[in-house]
Amino acid sequence: EDQVTQSPEALRLQEGESSSLNCSYTVSGLRGLFWYRQDPGKGPEFLFTLYSAGEEKEKERLKATLTKKESFLHITAPKPEDSATYLCAVQANDYKLSFGAGTTVTVRA
Amino acid sequence: DTGVSQDPRHKITKRGQNVTFRCDPISEHNRLYWYRQTLGQGPEFLTYFQNEAQLEKSRLLSDRFSAERPKGSFSTLEIQRTEQGDSAMYLCASSGTGAPWREETQYFGPGTRLLVL
Repeated sequence: EDQVTQSPEALRLQEGESSSLNCSYTVSGLRGLFWYRQDPGKGPEFLFTLYSAGEEKEKERLKATLTKKESFLHITAPKPEDSATYLCAVQANDYKLSFGAGTTVTVRA
Repeated sequence: DTGVSQDPRHKITKRGQNVTFRCDPISEHNRLYWYRQTLGQGPEFLTYFQNEAQLEKSRLLSDRFSAERPKGSFSTLEIQRTEQGDSAMYLCASSGTGAPWREETQYFGPGTRLLVL
């Protein structure tokens, strides 16, 4: 069974204090690794898809990287509006996503 | 493109009642998914459709849950004889445009929050 573990569970940052979130996964035949952002009471919002080890993608202050066992989401110089729960999910040989529990990021001004 | 929509956004019901949720996917998408999310957890897969065919159901989906997608467009998720443990956010997502397999990003709706008293 696919397993996704995210750490830390919660992260409190000062505005401008860069940090990284970790997503470790165990899956048979990774087709894609997905990062989503989720605000309280809302559905997940798509950020990135990574398909193979070594791949990197960037969007504003976020950068996602992928190895054979884990993915990192780097937040550079975060702002309060980056406060959210960040979810990692893997897609294997079928179409369903298996999610981790998420990392809740709080950025203080 | 108006995104994935879900109705209702909130539902409060009493234990033992039946409830039905609706999901309208992005219009050109042919795959539709249902997930359930409880507080502090990531979404958990329930079932998915390709067009009108239900292709996979989670082992966690009890007999009280049923989903349909009658014409390959919108979908409904019904929970019969609700229990307090059914309280959760029910999320719908859609994907697929006929493009190569790699283009299978799932886009989520806002969710329906169910509270069973």
